[in-house]
Amino acid sequence: QKEVEQNSGPLSVPEGAIASLNCTYSDRGSQSFFWYRQYSGKSPELIMFIYSNGDKEDGRFTAQLNKASQYVSLLIRDSQPSDSATYLCAGGVLKPTFGTGTRLTIIP
Amino acid sequence: DVKVTQSSRYLVKRTGEKVFLECVQDMDHENMFWYRQDPGLGLRLIYFSYDVKMKEKGDIPEGYSVSREKKERFSLILESASTNQTSMYLCASGGTGINTEAFFGQGTRLTVV
Repeated sequence: QKEVEQNSGPLSVPEGAIASLNCTYSDRGSQSFFWYRQYSGKSPELIMFIYSNGDKEDGRFTAQLNKASQYVSLLIRDSQPSDSATYLCAGGVLKPTFGTGTRLTIIP
Repeated sequence: DVKVTQSSRYLVKRTGEKVFLECVQDMDHENMFWYRQDPGLGLRLIYFSYDVKMKEKGDIPEGYSVSREKKERFSLILESASTNQTSMYLCASGGTGINTEAFFGQGTRLTVV
């Protein structure tokens, strides 16, 4: 079993709608989780991190962590075409382990 | 701004060559990482280092080695390049602590012919 698993997608969402990205992890020792956005041909860049159970909001982005279910999610509200990218979930103890990513396309 | 700089953006090497990929960070981070990224496989950790002269194997270390002689520099070495090592290589650095994120370099697209 992979340490971090994501829905591979691709995911298409109309502009203005909510995009929901999901991730599960296997190592209960993992404390922090990160969501990265990667545009085509570019390096990943961090958009959110979360380490406490519950929700964390930053602008249009909300990260959710449920340690009992070993589940992490990212919600993007009011989706914009500029949100079209691959989203990577990462977690792990000592070293970030990445999921395979979910390609998100926002349809104008 | 944190800066992680990789020595080359594109590299073409021949099978059997010894290849060096260099990475330098300017944030005094303890941790540095080398990943490769392939379509459908995501980012896979090759090696990481949490201190000078320290190294740990990641998930796919075979065919690679690393060197960290100075805190700011982490080198990835392909001892004898093979075509299955054609990939995008990403270096990252990060500090210690629960919230530590990884900052990525711009990547090196390596093609082995």
